[in-house]
Amino acid sequence: DAKTTQPNSMESNEEEPVHLPCNHSTISGTDYIHWYRQLPSQGPEYVIHGLTSNVNNRMASLAIAEDRKSSTLILHRATLRDAAVYYCILSKGGGADGLTFGKGTHLIIQP
Amino acid sequence: GEEVAQTPKHLVRGEGQKAKLYCAPIKGHSYVFWYQQVLKNEFKFLISFQNENVFDETGMPKERFSAKCLPNSPCSLEIQATKLEDSAVYFCASSQSIRRVSTNEKLFFGSGTQLSVL
Repeated sequence: DAKTTQPNSMESNEEEPVHLPCNHSTISGTDYIHWYRQLPSQGPEYVIHGLTSNVNNRMASLAIAEDRKSSTLILHRATLRDAAVYYCILSKGGGADGLTFGKGTHLIIQP
Repeated sequence: GEEVAQTPKHLVRGEGQKAKLYCAPIKGHSYVFWYQQVLKNEFKFLISFQNENVFDETGMPKERFSAKCLPNSPCSLEIQATKLEDSAVYFCASSQSIRRVSTNEKLFFGSGTQLSVL
């Protein structure tokens, strides 16, 4: 299975943009890039996903490199509530997997 | 329901005792997944169901762990003769399908059951 690499932790200030990187150099053509986050004492929640084109939704934006070997989750204006562990996950479109979580990035937001 | 409901929130068992965890998926979702989170951040996939049928059980320990999803009942994960190493948060998730190509196919997670084996 294609793996992802993320920094263990990142720190940002409240109301500033946050760019969370993810490397997936062995990604295959059918792999979708998913981001989930886990707030303290909660189950993971979906953030965004994409295949080739950049994606935007009300929570975040996903910027995907042209060669698809890396991607960046962008939180446009971080709030204290965005402090969480963010997971970048690859999943085959049409596949049967239940998503394989790595260790993720622990995002710390300073007031 | 509109969210994945897991019960109980906390479960304490002595070593060797049985533990049973429950999960009610979102109404209309055909797929149910169980994960074990032992240390902070590290998830292990255990098993998935398509309705009442086991879909993928490659992550299930061969001994002591079993799971079911019966019609008109919450899904369950049972651990016979618990061990200290079974202490973890167990998450259940559900989704409409598994293709993962559209937003409708994202996983919805419950809040988890914290199992403590003493």
